[in-house]
Amino acid sequence: QKEVEQNSGPLSVPEGAIASLNCTYSDRVSQSFFWYRQYSGKSPELIMSIYSNGDKEDGRFTAQLNKASQYVSLLIRDSQPSDSATYLCAAKGYNFNKFYFGSGTKLNVKP
Amino acid sequence: GAVVSQHPSWVICKSGTSVKIECRSLDFQATTMFWYRQFPKQSLMLMATSNEGSKATYEQGVEKDKFLINHASLTLSTLTVTSAHPEDSSFYICSALPLAGVGNTGELFFGEGSRLTVL
Repeated sequence: QKEVEQNSGPLSVPEGAIASLNCTYSDRVSQSFFWYRQYSGKSPELIMSIYSNGDKEDGRFTAQLNKASQYVSLLIRDSQPSDSATYLCAAKGYNFNKFYFGSGTKLNVKP
Repeated sequence: GAVVSQHPSWVICKSGTSVKIECRSLDFQATTMFWYRQFPKQSLMLMATSNEGSKATYEQGVEKDKFLINHASLTLSTLTVTSAHPEDSSFYICSALPLAGVGNTGELFFGEGSRLTVL
């Protein structure tokens, strides 16, 4: 089992809908999680980090962490075509200098 | 804050030549920087972990003599692709981990990436 796993998608949602992106993780990672957005041909950009169980909101984005289920999600409300990108879930390993990335979920927001 | 600058953003070179890519943390110090490679439509692949003042740690399958990494200061790491070949053509991305301390949330920040094309 990989340390961080994501469905590769593509996930297609209509403009204005809520996009829900999911990620599961193994026992080999610690409790620090991150969501990155990567546009085609560009490098990843940090969107949110979450460290505690529960929800964390920032604008249209909400990150959710469920430690019991080893599950992290990212909700994008009022999805826009400009949100179309690949979303990478990442977790920090117990070794402070180790990060694990999922393979990314491609999101398409249709106008 | 937390800006990582990578240079050059794209480079074309002839087969057999060497190419150096720089990664700088502009507004913070980073004891650790990471180098990734990404082929089209594929995931990030970690190549090596670079620690300031020490030798880089390479991932399995990455040739350390071909991909030379130097992390000479807390704000600069370089990746040199030696004797480049067409199969080395890829998108190379660095990232930097801010120095541990007050205000450090443990987040990793990426440079803009460098697209290498070897003819």
